[in-house]
Amino acid sequence: DVKVTQSSRYLVKRTGEKVFLECVQDMDHENMFWYRQDPGLGLRLIYFSYDVKMKEKGDIPEGYSVSREKKERFSLILESASTNQTSMYLCASRTGMRETQYFGPGTRLLVL
Amino acid sequence: DQQVKQNSPSLSVQEGRISILNCDYTNSMFDYFLWYKKYPAEGPTFLISISSIKDKNEDGRFTVFLNKSAKHLSLHIVPSQPGDSAVYFCAASAKVGNEKLTFGTGTRLTIIP
Repeated sequence: DVKVTQSSRYLVKRTGEKVFLECVQDMDHENMFWYRQDPGLGLRLIYFSYDVKMKEKGDIPEGYSVSREKKERFSLILESASTNQTSMYLCASRTGMRETQYFGPGTRLLVL
Repeated sequence: DQQVKQNSPSLSVQEGRISILNCDYTNSMFDYFLWYKKYPAEGPTFLISISSIKDKNEDGRFTVFLNKSAKHLSLHIVPSQPGDSAVYFCAASAKVGNEKLTFGTGTRLTIIP
């Protein structure tokens, strides 16, 4: 069974704080993704990574950065959290192109 | 610019009847389509997919239909069960480039016992 885990289920941060969201997958998948889910907007892709140390911008990368130092771990960084980054953040992984993406349980982030 | 649209935010269906969820897309480069199901406080889980070379794909109670000329796909669930109550997202990808998924906004399906 594919397992994608996210470091926190719920997180409360203050405006201006640096926030790290961690994602770990245990299936040796090459590709990893970060999405945010907002009501009425569906899932929007923030960043993705095809391999270690590789990253590409998704549709809404502004205000975010990512890090992939090891194959199994993909981190999303909010350099200076803002209230409009309050959202549900979902991590996903897949083994290659055209393959199913497997999602983690999500982190609900509240920025005050 | 919403390239994948689910125009019904919610849908209620009687248990045992057919649920039909719809999805429209605008990008003619999309050639692979998926449906994901999401329960509250869980990540989305893959349900069923279809390639543009087909117009129908079936998996148990779930069938996806693709109408390329209308740029429309639908998910049929027959018979609907209470456990099917969830948010359903359709997603699409294009073979060119990185094949990232573009998701719709989701439809909340409620099955009434």
